[in-house]
Amino acid sequence: NAGVMQNPRHLVRRRGQEARLRCSPMKGHSHVYWYRQLPEEGLKFMVYLQKENIIDESGMPKERFSAEFPKEGPSILRIQQVVRGDSAAYFCASSPTDITGTDTQYFGPGTRLTVL
Amino acid sequence: GENVEQHPSTLSVQEGDSAVIKCTYSDSASNYFPWYKQELGKRPQLIIDIRSNVGEKKDQRIAVTLNKTAKHFSLHITETQPEDSAVYFCAATAYGQNFVFGPGTRLSVLP
Repeated sequence: NAGVMQNPRHLVRRRGQEARLRCSPMKGHSHVYWYRQLPEEGLKFMVYLQKENIIDESGMPKERFSAEFPKEGPSILRIQQVVRGDSAAYFCASSPTDITGTDTQYFGPGTRLTVL
Repeated sequence: GENVEQHPSTLSVQEGDSAVIKCTYSDSASNYFPWYKQELGKRPQLIIDIRSNVGEKKDQRIAVTLNKTAKHFSLHITETQPEDSAVYFCAATAYGQNFVFGPGTRLSVLP
């Protein structure tokens, strides 16, 4: 059972370009979470999705950022018109549907975005 | 909403000594408390977790304790080794909610 996959692992963009980050959850997992991590800092929640639904996007900036988790294919975090402040590591995590009511999250290797 | 505090922010111990990291949470509805270890440039990895119906859980050199009344939980690492050096994050969540992470503790195990 492959773990959570993210691609690309490293992404370089110039200011004003678009960045697309992909996350394939573990097999059987239907919940996906995106986090942002600046160097030497903690994990900042951005958005929580289930298949075809955004459950909680309270941590995601209203402008330039969007996320989706379609019925088929990976979850995508999209950043339009990137600025230097978007440079960070973006981690995706997935969790199963847990009959006990609380899901364990497993993290992908992250995408390191650098904006020139 | 939930708020998680974590102390200390940095911790240095001699190899073989024990290390303790403490977290407090604010939402009494939280019922799941995982701990993650993140080495430099790597992904956070789950090392141990505890649910609110249990007071303590142990896995070899790692243990976690939970005090629901006081709303705090702690990570205990015994017989520390250099490979334990990393940043450790605690988190708290309730069913259907997103995880709220603490700010992290940088543990250095000195040989």
